[in-house]
Amino acid sequence: DTAVSQTPKYLVTQMGNDKSIKCEQNLGHDTMYWYKQDSKKFLKIMFSYNNKELIINETVPNRFSPKSPDKAHLNLHINSLELGDSAVYFCASRSDGDTQYFGPGTRLTVL
Amino acid sequence: KNEVEQSPQNLTAQEGEFITINCSYSVGISALHWLQQHPGGGIVSLFMLSSGKKKHGRLIATINIQEKHSSLHITASHPRDSAVYICAVPMYSGGGADGLTFGKGTHLIIQP
Repeated sequence: DTAVSQTPKYLVTQMGNDKSIKCEQNLGHDTMYWYKQDSKKFLKIMFSYNNKELIINETVPNRFSPKSPDKAHLNLHINSLELGDSAVYFCASRSDGDTQYFGPGTRLTVL
Repeated sequence: KNEVEQSPQNLTAQEGEFITINCSYSVGISALHWLQQHPGGGIVSLFMLSSGKKKHGRLIATINIQEKHSSLHITASHPRDSAVYICAVPMYSGGGADGLTFGKGTHLIIQP
């Protein structure tokens, strides 16, 4: 039983396209996140959601739009993809005890 | 906003050696996280600690809240410990849903 799942695992697309990454957690957590890991493996938070409400948007371009249809899902839609968007995107959820559970990551390559 | 410094960035050691990775942060926190990322890419939470020391198998994590410093130790290191180890703290001192800010990671290689 996968606790935090993401689809797709790999995404290769052309510049200018629009794409979505889906995330689901079956842990019953209220808080979910999107993190970006760049080519140097540095992780940085993008968004934080608590009970479907946006808590943090860490200076992310508005081409990125998270959507939380319910507290188990936090999807990431990206418009007009750019070369610099190539990265690994991790979804995570947070337990009441503050432990974070990470999804397997989605490797996005923009050509 | 919290900032995290982690050292060393790269560490190569022989099997059996005692390993220490250090982490310091700038703002008081509720808890500090140590994460492990294997070459396959997945990220696993190793420890979350707010005081003292925690041990899990050959891994030991310590934290000094007053000095804003934590260490991760690996005893009797083994090639399967080869991974990137990442220190993370809440972005803001309040913690909660704010999310984590991360160190740059320590790329550890244990040679047989």
